[in-house]
Amino acid sequence: DQQVKQNSPSLSVQEGRISILNCDYTNSMFDYFLWYKKYPAEGPTFLISISSIKDKNEDGRFTVFLNKSAKHLSLHIVPSQPGDSAVYFCAATDSNYQLIWGAGTKLIIKP
Amino acid sequence: DSGVTQTPKHLITATGQRVTLRCSPRSGDLSVYWYQQSLDQGLQFLIHYYNGEERAKGNILERFSAQQFPDLHSELNLSSLELGDSALYFCASSAVTGNTEAFFGQGTRLTVV
Repeated sequence: DQQVKQNSPSLSVQEGRISILNCDYTNSMFDYFLWYKKYPAEGPTFLISISSIKDKNEDGRFTVFLNKSAKHLSLHIVPSQPGDSAVYFCAATDSNYQLIWGAGTKLIIKP
Repeated sequence: DSGVTQTPKHLITATGQRVTLRCSPRSGDLSVYWYQQSLDQGLQFLIHYYNGEERAKGNILERFSAQQFPDLHSELNLSSLELGDSALYFCASSAVTGNTEAFFGQGTRLTVV
């Protein structure tokens, strides 16, 4: 039973445009959400997070939006750059602090 | 460089064998997490140690075990290996338990032949 779902295995975006990566979850007890970025042959690196008490968190080109009623979050990257090409993982945690991961979305930025 | 060191980077072994993966957390981090990433799969949480004590278990097989030593490094032991155990195994560390912004090592790629 996948509690965190990233339904798009891959996404292709033109350089300079907005990239929107989506994530859905089923467990209403999740209270903290994170996005990690992963390059091939490297471990994931933390990108941005959001608490369930917020609906938006912004860090430079990266913004995460949380819609609790829809159990949906999204990561917006504006403008998209070639170096953003990577696999993006959405993760969630509840009061037990264990990260539950999505399967990842491969983002390809086209020049 | 995340500060988390995993050895070896690559490991090829035969079915039925036993291997040990090692993780050195970032200096001062008390929590160590182990994850498995099989081909085209997401990261599966295996186990979490905090300051030498097991805190949580995820989808870890009985053939697998882990421990965290007094110097805070951790080892993941995989025994009676099967072809399906071939995967990337990641270790992550964080300063305290509950800090979900963990730092990941580069992983150990295990190939069982």
